[in-house]
Amino acid sequence: GAGVSQSPSNKVTEKGKDVELRCDPISGHTALYWYRQSLGQGLEFLIYFQGNSAPDKSGLPSDRFSAERTGGSVSTLTIQRTQQEDSAVYLCASSSERWGTQYFGPGTRLTVL
Amino acid sequence: SQQGEEDPQALSIQEGENATMNCSYKTSINNLQWYRQNSGRGLVHLILIRSNEREKHSGRLRVTLDTSKKSSSLLITASRAADTASYFCAPRGAGNMLTFGGGTRLMVKP
Repeated sequence: GAGVSQSPSNKVTEKGKDVELRCDPISGHTALYWYRQSLGQGLEFLIYFQGNSAPDKSGLPSDRFSAERTGGSVSTLTIQRTQQEDSAVYLCASSSERWGTQYFGPGTRLTVL
Repeated sequence: SQQGEEDPQALSIQEGENATMNCSYKTSINNLQWYRQNSGRGLVHLILIRSNEREKHSGRLRVTLDTSKKSSSLLITASRAADTASYFCAPRGAGNMLTFGGGTRLMVKP
């Protein structure tokens, strides 16, 4: 596709349930980032994938959060046993180089009831 | 982490006026990028300025970079109502972790 896509665009779940968020980066982009943004706040880095290297997971807030990137392309962010404080917009971005321009997807708005 | 801090937090101007937003950061950088965000969803890249550049233009946007003061500014000239958005700076350098600041919320009144 022409840009970064994310699915679903909105997700409402009950506290304690697991959710999976998907990101399709721009074809050929080796770098992929996940961020989250709470209402009216800045972006919080979660995890970074670069090629075949081990991901930088230093931004994940707890062990309930995990992410994987299959075949160097599509990435899935999984949140287990969701809590109300996990409610936020989750944004994915990809880049063709380590410090290059990041192209963002439209985000997934997660609401945990 | 490498975090940009935008200033002011909020700015309200009339259409046609210029808007200036500032960004400060703390460590050395490779480049600094500005992004715009509408309606709390995806960010759109506006402009990238490299550490060896001092000024860059793109349409109605002018970005300056002062690495000695670790600061950057974004100027939007002849603002339009469609420029209403939040603007974030992203200093890029050592380390992967990148946290955007709270951004500057710009309101352009018609």
